[in-house]
Order: sequence, then structure tokens, then C-alpha cells
Amino acid sequence: SQQGEEDPQALSIQEGENATMNCSYKTSINNLQWYRQNSGRGLVHLILIRSNEREKHSGRLRVTLDTSKKSSSLLITASRAADTASYFCATDYNYGQNFVFGPGTRLSVLP
Amino acid sequence: DAEITQSPRHKITETGRQVTLACHQTWNHNNMFWYRQDLGHGLRLIHYSYGVQDTNKGEVSDGYSVSRSNTEDLPLTLESAASSQTSVYFCASSESTQREAFFGQGTRLTVV
Repeated sequence: SQQGEEDPQALSIQEGENATMNCSYKTSINNLQWYRQNSGRGLVHLILIRSNEREKHSGRLRVTLDTSKKSSSLLITASRAADTASYFCATDYNYGQNFVFGPGTRLSVLP
Repeated sequence: DAEITQSPRHKITETGRQVTLACHQTWNHNNMFWYRQDLGHGLRLIHYSYGVQDTNKGEVSDGYSVSRSNTEDLPLTLESAASSQTSVYFCASSESTQREAFFGQGTRLTVV
């Protein structure tokens, strides 16, 4: 069974708007990571947030983590067409040595 | 620059044949992973390794095997390819799960 579940499965917005996607997970974690995948390419790491952190920023990205609700959100501000991609959250499942990924959110940013 | 490469990028094989997908990393990472990606399932872990001579089964390991004879390589072998193994395969490496993972570009495998 998958550890993480992203929501929504697909999101379509206009360029310049903000995009928010969510991730829920099931077990205890040390950290949660977000990755981006452009069509036909490998995954690229975006940001890592540790279990003792509540919010983290990187450029136009803002990630929050609520360990009490076992959930995280990724906010992309002022989206661009180049942000069109699938976004995945990954956790170190149950403090383990593996990355467990959710099914992803497909983001389309329309010009 | 350090990198992780997969080969081949595309492969078509017949049912029942043995297939090996290569993964090579120059990050000097101990941890290496193989995932398969299918529509609606995200990435599912097939096998992983924490170092030389270490291999472990993941969520969907049936029909696959790996070996780790050095730090740089983790080849994935499909012992007898089946149509259900048609998928995109990704290799990844990391220093640890407390750090980011680096992914290869993927191998698209079609079993006919």
C-alpha cells in the first residue's frame, strides 16, 4: 500500500495563478520530500522538510508539514507554463530506509 | 559532474526472455533503488540496496532480481519477462533517506 497520497490527481490553472497540492501519509516519518517529473523524464528533487519543521521555502515554492494530521502541502506561487509537470511527495516510510512515493498530482499551467 | 545513468532508454523484448536493465551512478552513494512507474500507481519500489553485496526486496519484487557487486552499479534483471512488466523503470541513488534522491532518466520497457 502506498504511503503517500497526493490530492488532487490533476490540476489545471492559468499562468500567474498559485497552485496548491496536498499529500497525506500514513506512518511516522523523519522527513517528507517533494519531487517534480517532467513528461518522459526522471524525477527531480524540489524540497525536503523534516518532521520538526512546519514550513519551508525555496524560491516560488512553499511547503508545509502538519505531522499531527500526517499531511503536507506544496504551494507554487505565480505559476509559469514551465511548471507544467507531475509532482510527487515521498516519505521515509516509518523511519525506514526507503523512499515511498504517492501517485502524484499532474499540474497543467495554461499560458 | 556526478550523475546517474540508465541504459537502454527503450527496450522491446518478448515474453519469457531474460532482460537486464543497467543503472550506473557516480555519486558514490551507498543507497540505490529501482522503481517502476505505471499510470495510476505512481512509483513502486522493486528492489533496493544499502551497499555492496546488500540487496532487499521492495513492494513489487516478484519476477525481478538485482545484484550489487560494486558501489556504482545496480543492474535489474527480469528473469522471464511478462507483459505485466511493461512499464517505465527508474533507478535512483541517495546518500540516505534523510537526503535527496537522484533519479536516472528512466527505461521504457515493452514486453510483447
